[in-house]
Amino acid sequence: EVQLVESGGVVVQPGGSLRLSCAASGFTFDDYAMHWVRQAPGKGLEWVSLISWDGGSTYYADSVKGRFTISRDNSKNSLYLQMNSLRAEDTALYYCAKDVSSSWFDYWGQGTLVTVSS
Amino acid sequence: EIVMTQSPATLSVSPGERATLSCRASQSVSSNLAWYQQKPGQAPRLLIYGASTRATGIPARFSGSGSGTEFTLTISSLQSEDFAVYYCQQYNNWPALTFGGGTKVEIK
Repeated sequence: EVQLVESGGVVVQPGGSLRLSCAASGFTFDDYAMHWVRQAPGKGLEWVSLISWDGGSTYYADSVKGRFTISRDNSKNSLYLQMNSLRAEDTALYYCAKDVSSSWFDYWGQGTLVTVSS
Repeated sequence: EIVMTQSPATLSVSPGERATLSCRASQSVSSNLAWYQQKPGQAPRLLIYGASTRATGIPARFSGSGSGTEFTLTISSLQSEDFAVYYCQQYNNWPALTFGGGTKVEIK
């Protein structure tokens, strides 16, 4: 059974930093690209970032480019999102999602909540 | 960026009735469109990809159609477990994947 478990979400002040983690199991992690997708409270879904199976290629939404860094450790079956210079508008539930052909998402975690507030 | 617009924002339907949800793209996305279902407090679940292919385990009452800029998700006979928010997502303009704003299907 595919499982994705996110962690690391907390309340952080504007301008602060945070690293989210996603532990994957139930599939061959290093065969797949992975994504982060976020959802602001009561709002819709926003794609954040994508990393290739080997970590060699990364992509970001314009809203986070230059502030967020996606990475992975295939030896630990783990995905990460380093978030710097956080803003109030980054407040959201952050999901990690398993990729299918760099196109859609077939499995999602339950999300971890990041709140940016003073 | 390709903007995805879903309508209506809220759809009130009685159990057993048909629900038709629309998704429009600001430019052609060919058939590169997926649909997701999200229930309160849960992660999204993949329903449809390639505009019309049901994902594994998705009941046949869910069907997708369309291409280019106009897409439809149809639920042929609404069951109690189908009341949720539905999102469309384009993946034609890769990697700038974008979602629609969602349609909430509520009990009439």
